[in-house]
Amino acid sequence: RKEVEQDPGPFNVPEGATVAFNCTYSNSASQSFFWYRQDCRKEPKLLMSVYSSGNEDGRFTAQLNRASQYISLLIRDSKLSDSATYLCVVNGIPGGGNKLTFGTGTQLKVEL
Amino acid sequence: DTGVSQDPRHKITKRGQNVTFRCDPISEHNRLYWYRQTLGQGPEFLTYFQNEAQLEKSRLLSDRFSAERPKGSFSTLEIQRTEQGDSAMYLCASSPRVTGHTDTQYFGPGTRLTVL
Repeated sequence: RKEVEQDPGPFNVPEGATVAFNCTYSNSASQSFFWYRQDCRKEPKLLMSVYSSGNEDGRFTAQLNRASQYISLLIRDSKLSDSATYLCVVNGIPGGGNKLTFGTGTQLKVEL
Repeated sequence: DTGVSQDPRHKITKRGQNVTFRCDPISEHNRLYWYRQTLGQGPEFLTYFQNEAQLEKSRLLSDRFSAERPKGSFSTLEIQRTEQGDSAMYLCASSPRVTGHTDTQYFGPGTRLTVL
């Protein structure tokens, strides 16, 4: 089983739609969680950290469910510029050093 | 631009040749990471430095791969006797020293390696 699993998509949505991505992780001892965004042939960029209490940044909302080992990202009122690959990332696995463990990414295409 | 730079941005080489990549982290960051990303996959961890000490290496880092950070600033990643399977994007990231496990990593633009 992969350490971090995501649906690769693609998710094709019309502009203005709400879209949700899910991710599961296998190691219950994981301590830190993130969503990164990666544009085609570019480096990953931090979108937001994910906290147990849930957190929101503008049109983006992230949730963490430790009991189910599940992370989600909700994008409201999607824009053409949101088209990218969204990477679910886990860090802080005891004994795992400080490495980030990435999912394969979920591709989002926002269309007119 | 995160402030992490990598050189070269692109490298095409023939199988069997040696290649070396350089990463310059954000100046005040003492942690430096190397990742590899192949098409359709997320980045995979290769190795990690805190200052000049190499603290962790992935099993992905075969004996053909070596990384250094001699003065705790820039780092180099060398691949000897390249194979076609080494073709990938090699990403460098840096982070500041913080307490606990959470440290935001900032990625450079990557070096895209093509082995013919």
